[in-house]
Amino acid sequence: GAVVSQHPSWVICKSGTSVKIECRSLDFQATTMFWYRQFPKQSLMLMATSNEGSKATYEQGVEKDKFLINHASLTLSTLTVTSAHPEDSSFYICSATSAFSYEQYFGPGTRLTVT
Amino acid sequence: GQQLNQSPQSMFIQEGEDVSMNCTSSSIFNTWLWYKQDPGEGPVLLIALYKAGELTSNGRLTAQFGITRKDSFLNISASIPSDVGIYFCAGVMNTGFQKLVFGTGTRLLVSP
Repeated sequence: GAVVSQHPSWVICKSGTSVKIECRSLDFQATTMFWYRQFPKQSLMLMATSNEGSKATYEQGVEKDKFLINHASLTLSTLTVTSAHPEDSSFYICSATSAFSYEQYFGPGTRLTVT
Repeated sequence: GQQLNQSPQSMFIQEGEDVSMNCTSSSIFNTWLWYKQDPGEGPVLLIALYKAGELTSNGRLTAQFGITRKDSFLNISASIPSDVGIYFCAGVMNTGFQKLVFGTGTRLLVSP
């Protein structure tokens, strides 16, 4: 149980284009989903927290107009990187948690490369 | 952002050896989690700790939640090659959304 998937697993895009990443909880209802970014050989840094049906809460320093998050249902959240630039190249990981649980279950990650 | 300090940063050991790694924080956390991340994958939950002083095992893994609630350790006994990876501790912030603060990570390499 507690499986989280991400799609795509990797994507290459040109500078200036937008990219959408999907995060799905496959076997449970995720009341809260989190989006992280991880640069090589570094830890995970939280970007934003999203709850189903409400606006995402962004961490300090994360541009909400650049990283659009939509949590439309209890099993799906999407992260759209708008007008991507090479410095946005990173490993993006989502996680999900159900109500009354402290345990976050992570997706396999999406490697974004912006050329 | 806030991060927890883990030590050591990396370890290179022989198969069969025991391993110990620590995680410390300047802040109190009421829940500690330990994750393992393989290259190119998302973290996988290993052990969850909910009470100060709690000692919890999961197979060859043992973790303890420090009495002060500012630290935790993870032990791996009789290491095997598949233990290779990066181990992260994470503290759960009691902000209503249960946000995690991750440690800096310990990279483990195991020689057969």
